[in-house]
Amino acid sequence: DAGVTQSPTHLIKTRGQQVTLRCSPKSGHDTVSWYQQALGQGPQFIFQYYEEEERQRGNFPDRFSGHQFPNYSSELNVNALLLGDSALYLCASSLAAGPQHFGDGTRLSIL
Amino acid sequence: AQSVTQLDSHVSVSEGTPVLLRCNYSSSYSPSLFWYVQHPNKGLQLLLKYTSAATLVKGINGFEAEFKKSETSFHLTKPSAHMSDAAEYFCVVSVRDAGNMLTFGGGTRLMVKP
Repeated sequence: DAGVTQSPTHLIKTRGQQVTLRCSPKSGHDTVSWYQQALGQGPQFIFQYYEEEERQRGNFPDRFSGHQFPNYSSELNVNALLLGDSALYLCASSLAAGPQHFGDGTRLSIL
Repeated sequence: AQSVTQLDSHVSVSEGTPVLLRCNYSSSYSPSLFWYVQHPNKGLQLLLKYTSAATLVKGINGFEAEFKKSETSFHLTKPSAHMSDAAEYFCVVSVRDAGNMLTFGGGTRLMVKP
């Protein structure tokens, strides 16, 4: 039974570019949440998707957007990348309000 | 609003001695509380969760935590540390009325000396 899978594992971009990160939830899960973890800090909630709609959003600018597909997989898009967007991006899935299970993350570096 | 404070950014113990990682929370509603562990360059693994049942919660790998409402605390303990326990530990709170969004503490790095 595969857990939460994220791709790619590492990514290097330059300022001003756009990036798309992908997440496949654990089998049986219908809810996907995204978190940003800067170096040396705890993860910060970006947003959550359920039934293909954004249900909850943290304190992140509109440059951060997402999507959930009918098979429950999800994408995180970030436009106009800034140096401060360098972080580990974590995807977590759950069945409705159940415990969230995390993937290993995508390490995004902005040059 | 909800928040979590992990009282120690670093904790160092010797192998075989007890572990105590301290966490205080703030929440306007009845919270769910979690401890997650993160090994280097990995995602987060759920150790245990409290969701208004028994106040003493047992988790994986010998860890347990006690919910104390009067002290707004949820400290993580283990009787005997192993080298493999060395990692970053996060105390986390969520509230149903906030869409079960997880709010993380700043983390405690546990170091285990041989």
